[in-house]
Amino acid sequence: DQQVKQNSPSLSVQEGRISILNCDYTNSMFDYFLWYKKYPAEGPTFLISISSIKDKNEDGRFTVFLNKSAKHLSLHIVPSQPGDSAVYFCAASAGAQKLVFGQGTRLTINP
Amino acid sequence: DSGVTQTPKHLITATGQRVTLRCSPRSGDLSVYWYQQSLDQGLQFLIQYYNGEERAKGNILERFSAQQFPDLHSELNLSSLELGDSALYFCASSGTGDSSDTQYFGPGTRLTVL
Repeated sequence: DQQVKQNSPSLSVQEGRISILNCDYTNSMFDYFLWYKKYPAEGPTFLISISSIKDKNEDGRFTVFLNKSAKHLSLHIVPSQPGDSAVYFCAASAGAQKLVFGQGTRLTINP
Repeated sequence: DSGVTQTPKHLITATGQRVTLRCSPRSGDLSVYWYQQSLDQGLQFLIQYYNGEERAKGNILERFSAQQFPDLHSELNLSSLELGDSALYFCASSGTGDSSDTQYFGPGTRLTVL
């Protein structure tokens, strides 16, 4: 049973436009959500997080939106830059901080 | 650089063998986590230690074991290796192990079992 799903394995966006990555979850006990970015041959790098008591968190070009009723999470990157090309993982935790990861979405920013 | 170090970077071994992966957490972090990423898969949580004690267990095989030492570094031991154990193994650390505490990941160890 996959509790965190990223249904788009890949996404291609033009440089300067908005990138929107989506994530759905099934476990209503999740109370903390994170996005990680991963380059090849490197470990995941923390990007941004959001607590379940909020519906939006912003950090520079990155904004995470949480819709608890829909059990949906999204990451907006604007404007998109070539260096944003990477695999993005959403993750969720419930209390004990065991992170449950989605399968990842490969984002490609085209010049 | 996350501050989490993992050694070795690459490991090639044969089926049936035993290997040890090492992780040093960020300075001051008490909690260490191990994850496995198989080819084209997401990261799967294996086990968490907090200040030397096991705190949470995930999809860790009985052939695998881990421990966290008094200096807070951790080792993941994989024994009776099978071809399917070939994967990237990541270690992460966080300060308190609480749900709102961000985990920071090391660069990973790529294990290849031949």
